[in-house]
Amino acid sequence: GQSLEQPSEVTAVEGAIVQINCTYQTSGFYGLSWYQQHDGGAPTFLSYNALDGLEETGRFSSFLSRSDSYGYLLLQELQMKDSASYFCAVVGNQGGKLIFGQGTELSVKP
Amino acid sequence: DTEVTQTPKHLVMGMTNKKSLKCEQHMGHRAMYWYKQKAKKPPELMFVYSYEKLSINESVPSRFSPECPNSSLLNLHLHALQPEDSALYLCASSQEAAGGQQFFGPGTRLTVL
Repeated sequence: GQSLEQPSEVTAVEGAIVQINCTYQTSGFYGLSWYQQHDGGAPTFLSYNALDGLEETGRFSSFLSRSDSYGYLLLQELQMKDSASYFCAVVGNQGGKLIFGQGTELSVKP
Repeated sequence: DTEVTQTPKHLVMGMTNKKSLKCEQHMGHRAMYWYKQKAKKPPELMFVYSYEKLSINESVPSRFSPECPNSSLLNLHLHALQPEDSALYLCASSQEAAGGQQFFGPGTRLTVL
């Protein structure tokens, strides 16, 4: 089977750092993507890791360990506008098919 | 132009109606997708088009019929839908079908009465 595990909810305060973990078990693996979705909005691409290591884009960083089938999204200097759902997604061996995790709802409190 | 557009934004239809959802992108992307998303759930892939050809159909019921008239346009024809088909329908595109970066449109909120 194919599955991705991520926490369902995370709460943090403004200015803090939060890490959202994702473990995966898939029949094929090309890379791990992260998407952000605000309530009522569409998913927005945040990052993609095909190789092991850390990718940094502004306040957001994403990490991948292929040997551990594990990745995480790190959000720094949290802002209220970061309150949203975050999905990890695996690019498998079926061209074009993104396999999504169930999503992590992040609440940022003042 | 770096966006995917979808029309209409909202659609209410009866179970006997026929309607179509439209999606357009002008980024030169060769892969386009239809997803269905229920509240508090991840997007669920329905169809993938690669170079204007249907490459993946995730066993979607025949009451949903996709069409790719050209490389910029993607339609989803709806007929005899059920109330449980009510959802947000998202279109997305990517450079190629194997890429991890997909650009999503704002979606069509569909209600089936």
